[in-house]
Amino acid sequence: GAGVSQSPSNKVTEKGKDVELRCDPISGHTALYWYRQSLGQGLEFLIYFQGNSAPDKSGLPSDRFSAERTGGSVSTLTIQRTQQEDSAVYLCASSSIVGGGGAEQYFGPGTRLTVT
Amino acid sequence: AQSVTQLGSHVSVSEGALVLLRCNYSSSVPPYLFWYVQYPNQGLQLLLKYTSAATLVKGINGFEAEFKKSETSFHLTKPSAHMSDAAEYFCAVRRGGSQGNLIFGKGTKLSVKP
Repeated sequence: GAGVSQSPSNKVTEKGKDVELRCDPISGHTALYWYRQSLGQGLEFLIYFQGNSAPDKSGLPSDRFSAERTGGSVSTLTIQRTQQEDSAVYLCASSSIVGGGGAEQYFGPGTRLTVT
Repeated sequence: AQSVTQLGSHVSVSEGALVLLRCNYSSSVPPYLFWYVQYPNQGLQLLLKYTSAATLVKGINGFEAEFKKSETSFHLTKPSAHMSDAAEYFCAVRRGGSQGNLIFGKGTKLSVKP
């Protein structure tokens, strides 16, 4: 079946511009996660959506970052007024509620963001 | 707070040699632990996971890991390395012991020499 997809695969933007990154989770997965992978910081959690509950935004690094999930499916991560330190690979993952804490998170291929 | 420490950012082994990648965790609740692999320019793929059912966990591609509570460790092993095992490996713990996000270690890059 189809896995997690992300678009675009690469994005180059100028400092100060806004960007939107999209994630299509596996159909039926109620949980959706955004992570950021950069050379200096490794893999960092950004935000987590579970069903209709309020999202856990505790990992967002600043108020320039926001995310929404429409209809419990597709999610968009928005970065406003991009800075060079935002350059990273942004990974999306989804998981089923089956298995509780042991449920596997399935990762997408990521969006490589470069801020010039 | 939960955390994961991976000892060794780079490990190099010869083809056919034992692979040992170290992971130690800190958790105030019974942990769910995971090993993921990332091949160049690809996303993360699950190798194996510990969910308290068994302390010795077998995963894909011949990898296995043993959960040792007394040592707070979850080291990843493979008896005989293949060239195709060259990748970056991440150990992770589930936050809060439930369906929260994963907390990752810094990763270990495995090189396999012919």
